[in-house]
Amino acid sequence: EAGVTQSPTHLIKTRGQQATLRCSPISGHTSVYWYQQALGLGLQFLLWYDEGEERNRGNFPPRFSGRQFPNYSSELNVNALELEDSALYLCASSPLSGYGYTFGSGTRLTVV
Amino acid sequence: GNSVTQMEGPVTLSEEAFLTINCTYTATGYPSLFWYVQYPGEGLQLLLKATKADDKGSNKGFEATYRKETTSFHLEKGSVQVSDSAVYFCALSGASGTYKYIFGTGTRLKVLA
Repeated sequence: EAGVTQSPTHLIKTRGQQATLRCSPISGHTSVYWYQQALGLGLQFLLWYDEGEERNRGNFPPRFSGRQFPNYSSELNVNALELEDSALYLCASSPLSGYGYTFGSGTRLTVV
Repeated sequence: GNSVTQMEGPVTLSEEAFLTINCTYTATGYPSLFWYVQYPGEGLQLLLKATKADDKGSNKGFEATYRKETTSFHLEKGSVQVSDSAVYFCALSGASGTYKYIFGTGTRLKVLA
C-alpha cells in the first residue's frame, strides 16, 4: 500500500513569489492535514481538509491556503512568500474517523 | 485549551542507557495519545499509541502508559541504541471532539556509541 506522497521534495522560491505544495493521501483516507515545522520548532497545525471542505485552520495568515480535490489529494498554497516561511511542510492523512495519522516525508521550502 | 508539554532536549545518552522522555497533556474529553519519531531528513512515523487510561503502548522496545490521574504519557526504553537518535514527538487527538492532532515541541535524543 502506497503511503502519503508529497511533492516536490524540495522547493526554492524567492521572497514575494507563490509556492504550491502537493499531497496524495493513502487510498481510502478522506482527511488531509497540513503542518509546518520550522527549524528548531515543533509542528504547527496549518489546515485540515475532509471531503473537500476546510474543517479547521491554524493560526496562520490568509496567504496560507489550500484545497482538497475530489480524489482527496490536496494542495497547499503560500502566497507572497516571506523568509520565515522557510520550513518543512508535512502532510498527513487519516480515515474519516480521524484515528491514525500517517505522515508523508514532507516538502522542504526554502525562501531566499 | 488542549496542549501537550514535553521535556526540553537535547537528551544525550550513552548506548544501552535507560531513556525517559516526559510528556504531560491538558485536554478535555478522552483523547488518544501518541508518540511519533522523526529521523533526520524524514517525516514523522508513528512509534506507539494508547487510546484509553491505563493502556500501554509499545513498539521496538519503547513503552508508554496512559496515566489519566497524572495526565502523563512518558516514553521509556530500557536500553537505547545509536540508531534511536531522532526527535520524538508526543501528541494527542480526539480531545473536545476534534480529530486534529496536537503535538508537543519535540525532544531530540542523541545516543553516543
